[in-house]
Amino acid sequence: DAGVTQSPTHLIKTRGQQVTLRCSPISGHKSVSWYQQVLGQGPQFIFQYYEKEERGRGNFPDRFSARQFPNYSSELNVNALLLGDSALYLCASSLQQGSGNTIYFGEGSWLTVV
Amino acid sequence: GQNIDQPTEMTATEGAIVQINCTYQTSGFNGLFWYQQHAGEAPTFLSYNVLDGLEEKGRFSSFLSRSKGYSYLLLKELQMKDSASYLCAVGGNQGGKLIFGQGTELSVKP
Repeated sequence: DAGVTQSPTHLIKTRGQQVTLRCSPISGHKSVSWYQQVLGQGPQFIFQYYEKEERGRGNFPDRFSARQFPNYSSELNVNALLLGDSALYLCASSLQQGSGNTIYFGEGSWLTVV
Repeated sequence: GQNIDQPTEMTATEGAIVQINCTYQTSGFNGLFWYQQHAGEAPTFLSYNVLDGLEEKGRFSSFLSRSKGYSYLLLKELQMKDSASYLCAVGGNQGGKLIFGQGTELSVKP
């Protein structure tokens, strides 16, 4: 069975540009969450979507947005990129909404902003 | 506030046992998770504790005390491949949200 898949795996953007990251959850999983992991730190929660609705939002500026599609895949958009947005962006999926469910991570998208 | 503390680095010898501690203070609690993350890779799920006590899974065990805000991950019969970062995370009030510690970098030496 395919795990959580993310694309692209690596990308380089220039300050001020916009980026879209994509995620497909494990088949049957309806909840998708996004995390940002800066080198040397633990992942930081950005968003959670369940049944195509935003169910949680972390402490990130409005430049960050996301959505979930009818097939439960998801996109994370970041506008007006800053150097500090350089990080590993992780997508995680779980069966249900609550964090009591086991949460599985994808391999991540490495974003470098220059 | 939300605070999860774990040691930054630990070193242990192949074949030995190591215990990685995690203390937490969070506004909500929906279980405690441990993840393993090798350099350049995604975190992989190791364990989940929601009730007090010890959960054993092969060479790995995880303990939780909710009253003390404390957990540990115990790794037995250490192997070189266990060298990785170990992340402690608490399930928060917001559905699906995990609050992570900074991770403990474990180095296993021959």
